Amino acid sequence: GAVVSQHPSWVICKSGTSVKIECRSLDFQATTMFWYRQFPKQSLMLMATSNEGSKATYEQGVEKDKFLINHASLTLSTLTVTSAHPEDSSFYICSARDQGSGSSRSSYNEQFFGPGTRLTVL
Amino acid sequence: RKEVEQDPGPFNVPEGATVAFNCTYSNSASQSFFWYRQDCRKEPKLLMSVYSSGNEDGRFTAQLNRASQYISLLIRDSKLSDSATYLCVVNKGPRIPTFGRGTSLIVHP
Repeated sequence: GAVVSQHPSWVICKSGTSVKIECRSLDFQATTMFWYRQFPKQSLMLMATSNEGSKATYEQGVEKDKFLINHASLTLSTLTVTSAHPEDSSFYICSARDQGSGSSRSSYNEQFFGPGTRLTVL
Repeated sequence: RKEVEQDPGPFNVPEGATVAFNCTYSNSASQSFFWYRQDCRKEPKLLMSVYSSGNEDGRFTAQLNRASQYISLLIRDSKLSDSATYLCVVNKGPRIPTFGRGTSLIVHP
């Protein structure tokens, strides 16, 4: 299947600092990427949809000024957690969709997930 | 009613058992359906797509019931390595996919 990378895989930071997480599609172009957050023993919660060349679409309750998303190219989206606080500690996962229907390596609408970034804010 | 609902479990079964999970969805316009598997502290990985006619992949069988708006996953001859959380995903066309909260499966010796 298609490969999505995420960097860093884990980060520990002090309260008040900003953290940038990168999501890259390695062998396909992704006009749309998704950012999720997952707290322990809970489901993935969609935070925002990142669209290449345009503004991200945020889900209800997600502060766009706190979680800055940039999708500058067809293979890279970044999520910046600004002024992070301990309650922002979570597992952040990105995903990308290989838009080509009928692709030999993916089902239509299949998402490929990055390995996730574990953020701990002290 | 939540868009996608799953029994969180855990389902505790012995090796070799057959186990089935259901996932209900509320939007009758939903078009594509998937089962993902997520291991602890890892990202979800696609297990199988769910087709209208039902599909099978080795020990795994997925079915879709549009009339009752649910999908199912059947695992035969459970292995210890099947222990994981199984996530149901429902797409409304090309729109944003919706995840269920997952069903936890524990296979014990």
